[in-house]
Amino acid sequence: SQQGEEDPQALSIQEGENATMNCSYKTSINNLQWYRQNSGRGLVHLILIRSNEREKHSGRLRVTLDTSKKSSSLLITASRAADTASYFCATLIMNRDDKIIFGKGTRLHILP
Amino acid sequence: EPEVTQTPSHQVTQMGQEVILRCVPISNHLYFYWYRQILGQKVEFLVSFYNNEISEKSEIFDDQFSVERPDGSNFTLKIRSTKLEDSAMYFCASSDKRQYPNTEAFFGQGTRLTVV
Repeated sequence: SQQGEEDPQALSIQEGENATMNCSYKTSINNLQWYRQNSGRGLVHLILIRSNEREKHSGRLRVTLDTSKKSSSLLITASRAADTASYFCATLIMNRDDKIIFGKGTRLHILP
Repeated sequence: EPEVTQTPSHQVTQMGQEVILRCVPISNHLYFYWYRQILGQKVEFLVSFYNNEISEKSEIFDDQFSVERPDGSNFTLKIRSTKLEDSAMYFCASSDKRQYPNTEAFFGQGTRLTVV
């Protein structure tokens, strides 16, 4: 079983709609981060939320964290074609902060 | 804005050959990482490096792999005898643990390794 699991695995929505992606994890964490990856390209850091935070905003992004359920969600509002990418959650594990563990990612496709 | 740079962006090598992937982490960062992403799959942790030694490694990081910080600025990943299954995108990352627990890893753009 994986430390980070995103769902859905793939999501297609119309431009302008909101996109919500979820991430669940198994062990206690120090923080959780969301990254974006355009096809075949590098990882772009989007937002970091600490374990004692519940919600964070950055532009059109809204991230929530529920440590009791070991889950996080990433909401992209008013989606644009340029938001088409894969989105990964990554966790910095409590007391093992030498590595960040990635989930499998959600492939988001914004339809024109 | 400071960034992690990786070279080359794409490397093609014959099976059995040695390859060295190079990374220049952000200058004041203390922790360095290598990750691997096989096409269409998840990003997998390989190794973390701190204070000139490996601090943690995954089961993927076997004796064929080694890391080095040869000159205080570069951070390299060597694969001694490449296999077809080593074909992947390799990402280098660095972080400043002094920001713990806000530790954020900054990733390079990756080196696409193709073993033929």
